[in-house]
Amino acid sequence: DSGVTQTPKHLITATGQRVTLRCSPRSGDLSVYWYQQSLDQGLQFLIQYYNGEERAKGNILERFSAQQFPDLHSELNLSSLELGDSALYFCASSVGNSGGEETQYFGPGTRLLVL
Amino acid sequence: QKEVEQDPGPLSVPEGAIVSLNCTYSNSAFQYFMWYRQYSRKGPELLMYTYSSGNKEDGRFTAQVDKSSKYISLFIRDSQPSDSATYLCAMSGRDNQGGKLIFGQGTELSVKP
Repeated sequence: DSGVTQTPKHLITATGQRVTLRCSPRSGDLSVYWYQQSLDQGLQFLIQYYNGEERAKGNILERFSAQQFPDLHSELNLSSLELGDSALYFCASSVGNSGGEETQYFGPGTRLLVL
Repeated sequence: QKEVEQDPGPLSVPEGAIVSLNCTYSNSAFQYFMWYRQYSRKGPELLMYTYSSGNKEDGRFTAQVDKSSKYISLFIRDSQPSDSATYLCAMSGRDNQGGKLIFGQGTELSVKP
């Protein structure tokens, strides 16, 4: 158990809908990262927040957005869902904001299926 | 061309074999190199972490980084059925790139009893 929690574990929804994925980092960790894992693209970085502020951005679609709240939990919002958004979404956390020096601990993931 | 290339396998070996997993990369800014293990439908867990070039050993696992060749390896000695999983290499640059990790596709390993 990494100490990172994600809810829900599974999510089934329809195209065009909007969903929210939630992540609670390990106790004491200030950075939260979101990754998407699909069969064809592998594990891809979406976005990082550090202590409430956006820190780094990957190839995150405009239909996706995220935020980190004062209690440091984070939410990833996915809207206007398409079939291709079906994937595993992982949250990871690390202590600080030292880039690659930081060890990232991954949560169990949320499996999203868009029908 | 992807920044990080990894043979997806699958790789099947008998119990007790030495396993060699490899990744190549193109971005010379990468300084931090990691190997993650991912069991089916679970989150990746960190196995090995290496900064810059060199070797690092932890029990049955050895990680090697050759920055001149842009090539990293993970060796598993005396492989066990419990090692059956997908192994992902990951890399990161310096602080000004944030903390994003760039992952390889992952190699699926099966260790047969």
